[in-house]
Amino acid sequence: GAVVSQHPSWVICKSGTSVKIECRSLDFQATTMFWYRQFPKQSLMLMATSNEGSKATYEQGVEKDKFLINHASLTLSTLTVTSAHPEDSSFYICSARGELVREKLFFGSGTQLSVL
Amino acid sequence: DQQVKQNSPSLSVQEGRISILNCDYTNSMFDYFLWYKKYPAEGPTFLISISSIKDKNEDGRFTVFLNKSAKHLSLHIVPSQPGDSAVYFCAASGNQGGKLIFGQGTELSVKP
Repeated sequence: GAVVSQHPSWVICKSGTSVKIECRSLDFQATTMFWYRQFPKQSLMLMATSNEGSKATYEQGVEKDKFLINHASLTLSTLTVTSAHPEDSSFYICSARGELVREKLFFGSGTQLSVL
Repeated sequence: DQQVKQNSPSLSVQEGRISILNCDYTNSMFDYFLWYKKYPAEGPTFLISISSIKDKNEDGRFTVFLNKSAKHLSLHIVPSQPGDSAVYFCAASGNQGGKLIFGQGTELSVKP
């Protein structure tokens, strides 16, 4: 199956700093990438949808200025958590899809963010 | 508003028996459904999917059933194996640009 690489797998940072998470599709062109977050024992909540070369579409309640998404190429999307606070501590997961909308999503391995 | 619901947070099954995981949805615009398996601190891995034009899809030990009138789908695993122990998420999509809406997950434990 297709491979989506997400980096880093875990990060610990101080409150107020910014953290960048990378998501790469290794063997296909990802026209659309999705960013999810998961709190312990809860569902995967969609944060935003990004299409290559255009601005991301954010879900209701997600601050676009806090969670900056860049999808500059067909193989790379980044999520930057700006001025992170302890309540931003969560498991962040990216997923990618090719041209066909009905293709199943392929997920990265996730990033565990802990903000002290 | 939880559009996709998995009402059982956990399920315990004996090895070799059938595991049945259930999922309900409320949005009648959903027309494609998927099941994912997830281990802690890892991303979900795709298991099986079904389009709304079908009522059953089978892949090895995994079968997904869709009842559109009841807005209900289920995943059957038979025979269950200890390696199947994980959290299972159902997900649905419709005319929303392909984004998936996930249920809360069911933690399956298969005991030897």
